Amino acid sequence: NAGVTQTPKFQVLKTGQSMTLQCAQDMNHEYMSWYRQDPGMGLRLIHYSVGAGITDQGEVPNGYNVSRSTTEDFPLRLLSAAPSQTSVYFCASAVNRGEGQPQHFGDGTRLSIL
Amino acid sequence: GEDVEQSLFLSVREGDSSVINCTYTDSSSTYLYWYKQEPGAGLQLLTYIFSNMDMKQDQRLTVLLNKKDKHLSLRIADTQTGDSAIYFCAETVYSSASKIIFGSGTRLSIRP
Repeated sequence: NAGVTQTPKFQVLKTGQSMTLQCAQDMNHEYMSWYRQDPGMGLRLIHYSVGAGITDQGEVPNGYNVSRSTTEDFPLRLLSAAPSQTSVYFCASAVNRGEGQPQHFGDGTRLSIL
Repeated sequence: GEDVEQSLFLSVREGDSSVINCTYTDSSSTYLYWYKQEPGAGLQLLTYIFSNMDMKQDQRLTVLLNKKDKHLSLRIADTQTGDSAIYFCAETVYSSASKIIFGSGTRLSIRP
C-alpha cells in the first residue's frame, strides 16, 4: 500500500503565484486533513474533510482552499502565495473522524515562497 | 484555551531511558497521542492513551497520564540511535473529534 502520497516534495514559488499541493490516499479513508509545520509551533490544522463533498476550516485557513471531489484526493490550493506561507505541509488521513482513530501522514511538501 | 506544551530538546545516552514530557490545557481532552517524526518524513503514530487510563505500556514505550496536573509523559526504555527523532504530543479537543492540537515537538538526540 502506498498510504498517503503527497506531491511535489519540494516547491519554490514567487510571491503572488498560485499552486496546488496534491494529496492522495489509497486506504479508502473518509477523513483527510492538511497541516502546516513551522519551527517551534508544532502542526496547525489548515482544512479538513470528513468525506467526499464535505470540507471545513481548521485553525489557519486563510489563503488556502480545498475541495474533496473523490474519497481518494484532497488537494490544497494556494491562491496567491505569500512569504508567510513558507512551511512544510502535511496531508493526513484517518478511517473516520472518530476520536482515537490514528492519522496516517504523508511525507510532506516543503514549500518556499520568495 | 487549547494548548499543548513540550520542551524543545532532550539528549540522552544510548541505553538509558528517555522521558519526554508534555502538558496540556483542555481538561476535556479524551485521547492523547504521541507521534514520532524522523528526518524528512511525516508523523508516525507511536501510541495513544484514553483519558480514563493512567498508564499504557507497549514494548519499550510507557505512557503515563496525570489528569489532575494535565501532564503526559512518554518513556522510552533502552534508548537506541534509531529513536533519534522529534516526538510530538497531541490531544483531541472534546468539542470537535476531528481537531487534534499538537505540541511543538521534542527533538530527542542520542549520545554514544
